[in-house]
Amino acid sequence: QVKLLQSGAALVKPGASVKMSCKASGYTFTDYWVSWVKQSHGKSLEWIGEIYPNSGATNFNEKFKGKATLTVDKSTSTAYMELSRLTSEDSAIYYCTRLDYDGTYYYFDYWGQGVMVTVSS
Amino acid sequence: DIQMTQSPASLSASLGETVSIECLASEGISNDLAWYQQKSGKSPQLLIYAASRLQDGVPSRFSGSGSGTRYSLKISGMQPEDEADYFCQQSYKYPYTFGAGTKLELK
Repeated sequence: QVKLLQSGAALVKPGASVKMSCKASGYTFTDYWVSWVKQSHGKSLEWIGEIYPNSGATNFNEKFKGKATLTVDKSTSTAYMELSRLTSEDSAIYYCTRLDYDGTYYYFDYWGQGVMVTVSS
Repeated sequence: DIQMTQSPASLSASLGETVSIECLASEGISNDLAWYQQKSGKSPQLLIYAASRLQDGVPSRFSGSGSGTRYSLKISGMQPEDEADYFCQQSYKYPYTFGAGTKLELK
């Protein structure tokens, strides 16, 4: 079965960076885009960007350009997101999710368990 | 960016009651709309995609409808396990955007 297993919670200082992982299993990793989604204040969801593991191609929400870097390691079927120059506004839960496509429509069909990032001195 | 306006922000329903949640897009999105359920402390789960297609394994009491800019999620017969937050999301244009969410509680 499809699983996305994310790394553990992180406590980081303002101005630092954090890198989190999302290990995929149960499907061909290189066939699907992987997106990252931010959930702040326990409610709202924001799409950060996506990466296509086969080519490394990326698309970003303009709001997160310069903030998020997306990479993959095809040998371990793992996607990574690094967030830089962290502030309190970056404290949130971050999800990785698989983007499926039925030929016409896109949708997020599997989600990781989320990584809680806390930015505090 | 396409704005997704979801309503109501919260609602309370009795066991067996039928409830509806609305989502209004700021421009037409050609049915490229999904609905997700998020239970407390858990990840979002896909319920509906392409506005009206039920994801495998989702109970048939969930249904989606709409077109153009207006979409809705209906739960026909509220169950205790349906207590959750619900989000709509469009994939028609980048950046993908979500509604602010609806908190559904059992009365």
